[in-house]
Amino acid sequence: DTAVSQTPKYLVTQMGNDKSIKCEQNLGHDTMYWYKQDSKKFLKIMFSYNNKELIINETVPNRFSPKSPDKAHLNLHINSLELGDSAVYFCASSPNQGSTQYFGPGTRLTAL
Amino acid sequence: EDQVTQSPEALRLQEGESSSLNCSYTVSGLRGLFWYRQDPGKGPEFLFTLYSAGEEKEKERLKATLTKKESFLHITAPKPEDSATYLCAVQARGSSNTGKLIFGQGTTLQVKP
Repeated sequence: DTAVSQTPKYLVTQMGNDKSIKCEQNLGHDTMYWYKQDSKKFLKIMFSYNNKELIINETVPNRFSPKSPDKAHLNLHINSLELGDSAVYFCASSPNQGSTQYFGPGTRLTAL
Repeated sequence: EDQVTQSPEALRLQEGESSSLNCSYTVSGLRGLFWYRQDPGKGPEFLFTLYSAGEEKEKERLKATLTKKESFLHITAPKPEDSATYLCAVQARGSSNTGKLIFGQGTTLQVKP
């Protein structure tokens, strides 16, 4: 299936731990994104990469570090997890920066 | 500051009862307005993109329209399977080289049989 996929689907961890979320798209898109959706379902962009180059870095704590090993993958590493990091994280991709974005299934992160 | 506001927050309809969802926006030059559908536990699913005032797009029971200040998602004779959260997002002209989308908080639609 052609899609945007994320792993894991669920992530439950202790505060203070370091964790990573992986994202892959096989749509051949050049641009990938990370969004955070809070408990009120409000989606906010965190990062965007175009052809492995960082193009959006919103006001996000530097405990969050994205990495794009190639244009089909964009991973999100989170250091020293805090309670407020609990949310659903969505990866998305688009053919280029200005076009329609297609979302992955999400990763629900719970920091205890 | 660019902003998107959706109303109502929640909407309950009987099957077959048509209605509209509203998306009001303020943006420094609109490049595009996007509608997505999100089912519980899933990622947003793309529905429509509108680029200029007066534009309309349709898909099955859904029709999206756009003015200079707002967009409407009209749902005609809805069915229970139309129950979902509908998200509106805008992309400003200045963000076309980054792809940044600004989302509203969504309207959760429940259609009862």
